[in-house]
Amino acid sequence: KAGVTQTPRYLIKTRGQQVTLSCSPISGHRSVSWYQQTPGQGLQFLFEYFSETQRNKGNFPGRFSGRQFSNSRSEMNVSTLELGDSALYLCASSSEGQEDEKLFFGSGTQLSVL
Amino acid sequence: DQQVKQNSPSLSVQEGRISILNCDYTNSMFDYFLWYKKYPAEGPTFLISISSIKDKNEDGRFTVFLNKSAKHLSLHIVPSQPGDSAVYFCAASRFGNEKLTFGTGTRLTIIP
Repeated sequence: KAGVTQTPRYLIKTRGQQVTLSCSPISGHRSVSWYQQTPGQGLQFLFEYFSETQRNKGNFPGRFSGRQFSNSRSEMNVSTLELGDSALYLCASSSEGQEDEKLFFGSGTQLSVL
Repeated sequence: DQQVKQNSPSLSVQEGRISILNCDYTNSMFDYFLWYKKYPAEGPTFLISISSIKDKNEDGRFTVFLNKSAKHLSLHIVPSQPGDSAVYFCAASRFGNEKLTFGTGTRLTIIP
């Protein structure tokens, strides 16, 4: 079974630009979550989608948005990039209904904003 | 507001000895706790979890202990192996809620 796939692996952008990151969950998983990892801050929750609907949202500004498609694939968009948006963005999928539900993470997209 | 805290950014342990990683939380609504392991350039991978109805859960060399009154959990790795060198994240959630709140991580180094 293929794991969570994130593309691209690396991105370099300049301030003010926008970026779109893509995530393909494990086949059969309908929940997709996004996290931002920065040094010293751990993983910060961005949002979670289930069946094309945003179900949970973290404390990030409106420049961060996402969506989920009918095939459960998800995209995350960051507009008007700032230097502080440089981070590893991780996508995770999960399968509902299991007692020990856990997230399965992709390898992430490393975003550098110059 | 850091609801999940890992106060030790790093830990070095000799191979074969016990590694103990600690985590504290402040939100009493959390009832499900997990540990993830992360290697550089890879996403975190699930290690072990525990629900608030238990105080201990074991899986091979890994044991997680939960002290609800102290709002504290710990991960014990026995015996420690070189491949255990990684960053370990503690996470908490409300059972059935996909949102996980993570700590800042502890970098574990196993010394051969």
